[in-house]
Amino acid sequence: AQSVTQPDIHITVSEGASLELRCNYSYGATPYLFWYVQSPGQGLQLLLKYFSGDTLVQGIKGFEAEFKRSQSSFNLRKPSVHWSDAAEYFCAVGAVLTGGGNKLTFGTGTQLKVEL
Amino acid sequence: DAGITQSPRHKVTETGTPVTLRCHQTENHRYMYWYRQDPGHGLRLIHYSYGVKDTDKGEVSDGYSVSRSKTEDFLLTLESATSSQTSVYFCATIGQPYEQYFGPGTRLTVT
Repeated sequence: AQSVTQPDIHITVSEGASLELRCNYSYGATPYLFWYVQSPGQGLQLLLKYFSGDTLVQGIKGFEAEFKRSQSSFNLRKPSVHWSDAAEYFCAVGAVLTGGGNKLTFGTGTQLKVEL
Repeated sequence: DAGITQSPRHKVTETGTPVTLRCHQTENHRYMYWYRQDPGHGLRLIHYSYGVKDTDKGEVSDGYSVSRSKTEDFLLTLESATSSQTSVYFCATIGQPYEQYFGPGTRLTVT
């Protein structure tokens, strides 16, 4: 069964500083990996995804993530954090279902606080 | 925006009562999902549907049932609500390729 670990429950960074959120996964085949962001009281928004190919993927809002198979990791990065990036971030791994769907397994999330 | 609405958005109910949450989508997506979100657990899959009248269990399905009589609607029923089912419930559909889109959530409190 697949699983996702986000080792950092809370992270605080200063505005303008760089950011890296860690994600480690366990999955028996080639993983489909996702990062979602959730602002307070809101639903989840997809930031980026990895299916195959280039291991460095670009997403919305200036985020990127790098897939490293040897480390079973899919860390999220941003070179310069803005105050509006304060939110909770979830990493997820997807198992493909017959017929085109998938089942996502989520990590427990990392709460990002941005200091002005 | 995947055209997902959830109703009600907030609900308070008493232990032992049945509760039904509704998810409605306008994109004609085949797959639909129900998750619950709890602090320290992230999102956990309750049930999902891969077509009208076709459903399957997720990892935390005990105490929940679902129904899908139309493509656009996916209902989640708590047969007899318990305090442990106090949570935020999210519905999701899947676009292409494999991207899940989430609704705004329903905050349920069981007293």
